[in-house]
Amino acid sequence: EVQLLESGGGLVQPGGSLRLSCAASGFSFSTYVMSWVRQAPGKGLEWVSTISGRGATTYYADSVKGRFTISSDNSKNTLYLQMINLRAEDTAVYYCTKDDYGGIFGYWGQGSLVTVSS
Amino acid sequence: EIVLTQSPATLSLSPGERATLSCRASQSVSSYLAWYQQKPGQAPRLLIYDASSRATGIPARFSGSGSGTDFTLTISSLEPEDFAVYYCQQRSDWPPLTFGGGTKVEIK
Repeated sequence: EVQLLESGGGLVQPGGSLRLSCAASGFSFSTYVMSWVRQAPGKGLEWVSTISGRGATTYYADSVKGRFTISSDNSKNTLYLQMINLRAEDTAVYYCTKDDYGGIFGYWGQGSLVTVSS
Repeated sequence: EIVLTQSPATLSLSPGERATLSCRASQSVSSYLAWYQQKPGQAPRLLIYDASSRATGIPARFSGSGSGTDFTLTISSLEPEDFAVYYCQQRSDWPPLTFGGGTKVEIK
């Protein structure tokens, strides 16, 4: 059974940093594309970032480019999202996803809430 | 960037009725369109991918159709657990991967 468990969310001040983790199990982690998708309170879904299997290629939304870094540790079956220079508009639930066929979000974690506020 | 526009924003129906949700793309996405269901307090769930293929475990009452710029998600007979928000998403031309704004299916 595929399981994705996010952690690392919380309250951070504007300009601060945070690292989200997503522990994956139930599938061959290193061979799958993985992504982060976020949802601001009461709003719709927004794609944030994608990393190819084995981490060779990364993609970012313009809204986070230069501030967020996606990475993976295949020895730990864990996906990360390092976020710096956080803004109020980054406040959202961040979901880790396992992608199927590139760009299809086949499985989702339960989400981790990031709140950027002073 | 491909913009997806979903309509209507809200659909008020009774259990047993047929639901028809629309998603229109700003340019052709071929058949590279997916649909997701999200219930309050839960993560989204993949329903349909590549316009008309049901994901694993999705009931047959959910069906998708369309290609190019116009797509439809149909729920043939609404069950109580189907009242939720539905999002479409394209993977034809990315980055960025983009979602529609969502359609809420509520109980009439």
